[in-house]
Amino acid sequence: DAKTTQPPSMDCAEGRAANLPCNHSTISGNEYVYWYRQIHSQGPQYIIHGLKNNETNEMASLIITEDRKSSTLILPHATLRDTAVYYCIVSDNAGNMLTFGGGTRLMVKP
Amino acid sequence: GAVVSQHPSRVICKSGTSVKIECRSLDFQATTMFWYRQFPKKSLMLMATSNEGSKATYEQGVEKDKFLINHASLTLSTLTVTSAHPEDSSFYICSAQRTGSNYGYTFGSGTRLTVV
Repeated sequence: DAKTTQPPSMDCAEGRAANLPCNHSTISGNEYVYWYRQIHSQGPQYIIHGLKNNETNEMASLIITEDRKSSTLILPHATLRDTAVYYCIVSDNAGNMLTFGGGTRLMVKP
Repeated sequence: GAVVSQHPSRVICKSGTSVKIECRSLDFQATTMFWYRQFPKKSLMLMATSNEGSKATYEQGVEKDKFLINHASLTLSTLTVTSAHPEDSSFYICSAQRTGSNYGYTFGSGTRLTVV
C-alpha cells in the first residue's frame, strides 16, 4: 500500500506558485520523500527528493515539516506545461521499488 | 545523467502473439530494474523486479509465465508479454536507479501496448 496521502486534484493559475501537499505520517527515519510528475502518456519524471532538510533545485522546492510527517512541493511560477499528475513517494533509497499512490492532478490554467 | 531508454514507445499486436519491450540504462549500470503497468487514469502498479543474472521477483497476481522478464546484462532488461490478450492492453513503464545517484529513480518513457 502507498504510504502517502495527496489531494486528488488541484488548480493553479499560470504564473502563480503551486503548493502541493503530501501526508506521510508513517514515514520511517531512513525514508526519503520523493516527488515525481507524470505528463500524459509519458514516464514519470523525477523532480526532487529530501530526507529532513528543505531542498531546492531548478524545478521546485521541497518543504518537509520538522516531524517529517508531511511535506509540500512548491512550483514557484507554474506554467501550462506543469499540468501533470504529481506523485509523492517515500522510499529508503536502498534500491527498493517505489510504491505509487494516487497522486495529485495539477491543472495550471491561463 | 541517469537516462533510461524504453523501446518501442507504441506497439499494436494481434491476440495470441507475443511482444517484447526493452528497457536500457544508457549511462549507468543497473543491477535492478522495475516494471510497472498503468491503466487509463490509474496510478502505476509494480509488476515485477528485474534482477541482473537472476530470476525476477513478481508481485502478487502477476503471472510470471505470461510476463517474461530477462535481465541479461547490467544495462538491459526485457519484458515479454506472451500470448497477449486485449486485457493486456496498457501502458508499461520501466525504472532503474543509479547507485549513489542524487537523481532518484529514473523511468523510461513507457510503452503503449494495444492488443487487437
